[in-house]
Amino acid sequence: KQEVTQIPAALSVPEGENLVLNCSFTDSAIYNLQWFRQDPGKGLTSLLLIQSSQREQTSGRLNASLDKSSGRSTLYIAASQPGDSATYLCAVLKTSYDKVIFGPGTSLSVIP
Amino acid sequence: GAVVSQHPSWVICKSGTSVKIECRSLDFQATTMFWYRQFPKQSLMLMATSNEGSKATYEQGVEKDKFLINHASLTLSTLTVTSAHPEDSSFYICSASSGGGYEQYFGPGTRLTVT
Repeated sequence: KQEVTQIPAALSVPEGENLVLNCSFTDSAIYNLQWFRQDPGKGLTSLLLIQSSQREQTSGRLNASLDKSSGRSTLYIAASQPGDSATYLCAVLKTSYDKVIFGPGTSLSVIP
Repeated sequence: GAVVSQHPSWVICKSGTSVKIECRSLDFQATTMFWYRQFPKQSLMLMATSNEGSKATYEQGVEKDKFLINHASLTLSTLTVTSAHPEDSSFYICSASSGGGYEQYFGPGTRLTVT
């Protein structure tokens, strides 16, 4: 059974800092891994999708890496801004027709 | 990117009544739709998977007679919470996929409050 964990559960940093969010999954046989952002009371915003054959994806100040063999992914946020404050969820898909398994999320607070 | 809408975005209903939530794929045909539930300060948990024209597959512990899912067309799936109780109050999110490993696109969610 696939389990997804995220460390840390919460993080508070001053504006401008670079930071790393971690995601681990127990079954390395995944189809893809996706990072989402969720603002309080809101839905999900897809940030980055990494296919199983890829090692990383970049979008603006965000960079996500994937190491399938070790069951890990990291989300790197450069030059953090107060607007980055949100909960970040990682999610894995086992097969193309399967359900997405979500991690518990990391709550990020960027202090001005 | 593909757009998935949900209606309503929020709803308040009285205990014992039923409420229907719609999930629509606006610019693609969704062969598969997923319904998730999120309780406060928890992550999303899959409730059921529905394929167009077929009965939904429910996750263990989800009452199929309470949470009725219909996926009658390639662009619409509905979730009906029957005889709602306060413990059903939650954030419900759907996602849609055109299948074949394509990305799942998530709706904006529906916040249900049962009083």
